[in-house]
Amino acid sequence: DTEVTQTPKHLVMGMTNKKSLKCEQHMGHRAMYWYKQKAKKPPELMFVYSYEKLSINESVPSRFSPECPNSSLLNLHLHALQPEDSALYLCASSQMDSSNQPQHFGDGTRLSIL
Amino acid sequence: AQSVTQPDIHITVSEGASLELRCNYSYGATPYLFWYVQSPGQGLQLLLKYFSGDTLVQGIKGFEAEFKRSQSSFNLRKPSVHWSDAAEYFCAALYNQGGKLIFGQGTELSVKP
Repeated sequence: DTEVTQTPKHLVMGMTNKKSLKCEQHMGHRAMYWYKQKAKKPPELMFVYSYEKLSINESVPSRFSPECPNSSLLNLHLHALQPEDSALYLCASSQMDSSNQPQHFGDGTRLSIL
Repeated sequence: AQSVTQPDIHITVSEGASLELRCNYSYGATPYLFWYVQSPGQGLQLLLKYFSGDTLVQGIKGFEAEFKRSQSSFNLRKPSVHWSDAAEYFCAALYNQGGKLIFGQGTELSVKP
């Protein structure tokens, strides 16, 4: 069983919709991450939060808006997405962002843009 | 730039046969190294990690990996493959740049009866 929980598991939305992805961990980790993964490709880092502050934004389009309300929660707000944004969105957490501790991944949200 | 290379895109082995998946990291400071496995429709599960010390590390599900500094390699091995091992395997390196994991392109493992 994964210790990083992502909801929903699947999401279908139109290009004009607004939706949010949610990620939760209760391992006391202080770094949380969003990744995007296309089929047959490795995950691509989007954002890193360290101690609830955004520390890395990998030049992600503004239609993706991350939020870290507290140390256990990470959201990804979606607005006006494009068909090419259809992908598996993975959340991960680790004890800190620059330690030697591994990242633990959730099972992801499969996003389809109509 | 730091990089991770997995030379084999797809490998097929017979059930019960041994397995070795290759991984090379870019030359320079030794990063922290990881192997993850991803089954269809699921997230990434950590198999094992290497930070320092003993160059042969044991992981979950009977996997092990050997770090070889001279070859900049961190190959994953299993002595006897089970059908349930069929999945995508990712090697990853952490060069301490704010938690940015560098992933290889992945190796898809198929297991034939």
